[in-house]
Amino acid sequence: DIQMTQSPSSLSASVSDRVTISCRASQIISPFLNWYQQKAGKPPKLLIYATFNLQSGVPSRFSGSVSGANFTLTISSLHPDDSGTYFCQQTYNTPLTFGGGTKVDIK
Amino acid sequence: EVQLVESGGGLVQPGGSRRLSCAASGFTFSRHWMTWVRQAPGKGLEWVASINQDGAEIFYVDSVKGRFTISRDSAYNSLFLEMNSLRAEDTGVYYCARVLAVHVPVEGGVMAAQSFDSWGQGTLVTVSS
Repeated sequence: DIQMTQSPSSLSASVSDRVTISCRASQIISPFLNWYQQKAGKPPKLLIYATFNLQSGVPSRFSGSVSGANFTLTISSLHPDDSGTYFCQQTYNTPLTFGGGTKVDIK
Repeated sequence: EVQLVESGGGLVQPGGSRRLSCAASGFTFSRHWMTWVRQAPGKGLEWVASINQDGAEIFYVDSVKGRFTISRDSAYNSLFLEMNSLRAEDTGVYYCARVLAVHVPVEGGVMAAQSFDSWGQGTLVTVSS
């Protein structure tokens, strides 16, 4: 199974900060990596698919990148509404696996 | 507007069974892979199973193989998850989701990259005596 290791597990940042969340796959999986945002008590929301592609309706301050097996979700300027937990997911092969999540708090 | 509405959750004893349903609307159900994802209380996301458009391709996470069965009925725009031999570790919110498949360039050609672009609100299954 492909292991997805996310870091950090949590972070606290101020509005307008640049925030990066990392996800390392146990093997090369590019470009089959997605990012989701989940708020408490709600289902996940797709942000980025296939490493780089912004899902329709998602603000352009979110972006995705990759270097080898290391993927990054970047929020260029943190908004108050960006609090929540972020998950990466590989769809390179089954079992499809998620990272452990990164909880983002607004200072 | 895409809508996915799960039902069928509840309290079930260990070893018991439960059938979850997901009613889909707002899109052409027969054109999409569909999937189930679960989330234990306070934990992360775990993919459970996926099914292709005609039900001919089905995949499960190892922990549910032989106990869970995913199926669909395109005549009724519905997705199902039959769960048998339930265990305490099966407790959690079960989400159905629509699969978005886009073709991406890879070495040697193109491949379909899947993501889960629409989710239901989830239904809670609690396995406890």
